[in-house]
Amino acid sequence: GQQVMQIPQYQHVQEGEDFTTYCNSSTTLSNIQWYKQRPGGHPVFLIQLVKSGEVKKQKRLTFQFGEAKKNSSLHITATQTTDVGTYFCAGEYGNKLVFGAGTILRVKS
Amino acid sequence: NAGVMQNPRHLVRRRGQEARLRCSPMKGHSHVYWYRQLPEEGLKFMVYLQKENIIDESGMPKERFSAEFPKEGPSILRIQQVVRGDSAAYFCASSPSYGQGARPEAFFGQGTRLTVV
Repeated sequence: GQQVMQIPQYQHVQEGEDFTTYCNSSTTLSNIQWYKQRPGGHPVFLIQLVKSGEVKKQKRLTFQFGEAKKNSSLHITATQTTDVGTYFCAGEYGNKLVFGAGTILRVKS
Repeated sequence: NAGVMQNPRHLVRRRGQEARLRCSPMKGHSHVYWYRQLPEEGLKFMVYLQKENIIDESGMPKERFSAEFPKEGPSILRIQQVVRGDSAAYFCASSPSYGQGARPEAFFGQGTRLTVV
């Protein structure tokens, strides 16, 4: 079935280090969305990528969509304690928005 | 414009009871999605509804679970004869209608934490 694989499952970094999470789809995606969920909170939309090879930046966050539109990544430069949470990618499969399992980011100060 | 409203935020039910979870989408949104989340796990798709229609319920268990989104009022996720394994956070999300373009972002509610004792 349709799957969105996300790695790693967990990442612990020292404050100031970089962080990357990767998302792979079993099929070509029309677009991909990224969400962040703080501990105890609800998912909040970060960005959507639509075009093949697209790169978007939001301050210290860089989002990429692969050329084949089957993979995506989120890179955070110089992590801060406010970056803690779970980062999800989500792909559209027919009627459904299917989420990856998420990457839990912990930042040690 | 109020966000997606879910209630109750926390719900405790004994095994065998019924659980009713409510979701009021954002004003002007006609698409509602329900997701289930276990602690430190991802969001598992359950059902996608538009007003008075179930569009995709491929993620819903065949028994005990049902969902509706009536013409008037909130969307309801109903779990009959709850069991301990139903304990989870249930999130509702809504989005506006869209045409041929990319699916718009989904706005999530705060979730309902269901505990079955």
